[in-house]
Amino acid sequence: GQQVMQIPQYQHVQEGEDFTTYCNSSTTLSNIQWYKQRPGGHPVFLIQLVKSGEVKKQKRLTFQFGEAKKNSSLHITATQTTDVGTYFCAGRTSGGYNKLIFGAGTRLAVHP
Amino acid sequence: DVKVTQSSRYLVKRTGEKVFLECVQDMDHENMFWYRQDPGLGLRLIYFSYDVKMKEKGDIPEGYSVSREKKERFSLILESASTNQTSMYLCASKRGFNEKLFFGSGTQLSVL
Repeated sequence: GQQVMQIPQYQHVQEGEDFTTYCNSSTTLSNIQWYKQRPGGHPVFLIQLVKSGEVKKQKRLTFQFGEAKKNSSLHITATQTTDVGTYFCAGRTSGGYNKLIFGAGTRLAVHP
Repeated sequence: DVKVTQSSRYLVKRTGEKVFLECVQDMDHENMFWYRQDPGLGLRLIYFSYDVKMKEKGDIPEGYSVSREKKERFSLILESASTNQTSMYLCASKRGFNEKLFFGSGTQLSVL
């Protein structure tokens, strides 16, 4: 079936270091969304990417959508303790009206 | 802000019991979803609904059913709970096709 693979599963960094999580799809995606889930919380929408090669920034967060629309990445510059949580990508295939396929998530731990 | 409310934060049930998980959203969203979240597996779609009395199977519908009698309410039913249904259940809603998901706080269900 259609899958979205997300790596790494877990990463811990020192505060101030950079962090990147990657998502790869077995099929072309019409768009991809990113969510953040704080420990004990629920997923909260961060951003949606639609266009091939699109790059969007939110302060220290940079989101990219690959040229082939099969991969995406989230890069955090100079992590802070407030960045702790699990980051999920969720891809929508062209035929999937309401079906977002979630990656397994990357859990980020930041040590002060 | 959209509010998605799930009736219970924690629930403990016995094997074989019928379990109802309730979800209410207050923003008149057409689309509602039930996901389960398990470590290392991300979020998997159980059922979704795009209108009152309409329902569609997600990726893992076996052992579950749903009910949507009113637009704001979407219920998940475990007909006969089993231990492998111990999980975090997340309800979500969204307005339209490419819109973002708003999640409830989740129900941690333990089936003993």
